[in-house]
Amino acid sequence: EAQVTQNPRYLITVTGKKLTVTCSQNMNHEYMSWYRQDPGLGLRQIYYSMNVEVTDKGDVPEGYKVSRKEKRNFPLILESPSPNQTSLYFCASSLGTSVSYEQYFGPGTRLTVT
Amino acid sequence: AQKITQTQPGMFVQEKEAVTLDCTYDTSDPSYGLFWYKQPSSGEMIFLIYQGSYDQQNATEGRYSLNFQKARKSANLVISASQLGDSAMYFCAMRGGYQKVTFGTGTKLQVIP
Repeated sequence: EAQVTQNPRYLITVTGKKLTVTCSQNMNHEYMSWYRQDPGLGLRQIYYSMNVEVTDKGDVPEGYKVSRKEKRNFPLILESPSPNQTSLYFCASSLGTSVSYEQYFGPGTRLTVT
Repeated sequence: AQKITQTQPGMFVQEKEAVTLDCTYDTSDPSYGLFWYKQPSSGEMIFLIYQGSYDQQNATEGRYSLNFQKARKSANLVISASQLGDSAMYFCAMRGGYQKVTFGTGTKLQVIP
């Protein structure tokens, strides 16, 4: 089954404790992206990647890191999480970099930082 | 910079009626794509419909159609014959030439039996 998977689905952590949210897709997609969803703000893009070793900042990259060492994986790293990073996080992928390609979303990761 | 504006935080529609969800956008890119996604209460994001900036005709997908008015920079979603299962959050999004994707703040649609 073609899908985007994220782990963990739920995470409660404390301020300053480094964490990684994994994202993997099995569709051989070139483009991958991370978003955070907050009430009243919609989805905001954190980072995106157009291919292996090619990443760029979205609109809200502060406090996050990413890497794309393999085509299928695009982990999101929070090196020192803070309470304002409490949010619902989505990973998404699309076939390529054309503006016409829709994105396929993972199920989301709900992160709480205390 | 690109921007998406959805001015309707919430809407109600009677079952079997049509409803229009508004979306306006702003970009300096000559080439861009406009998308609508649905997010049910279960949380997943579901792609509904796409419109390209150079498309001459409005996109349609089953009961969904996109009313694209390029000069007015609007890309409204029309849902015909609303069903109870249409109750959800709806997001308008734009994908620009520099690969950034921008979403609107969403519209919560509730279908009344």
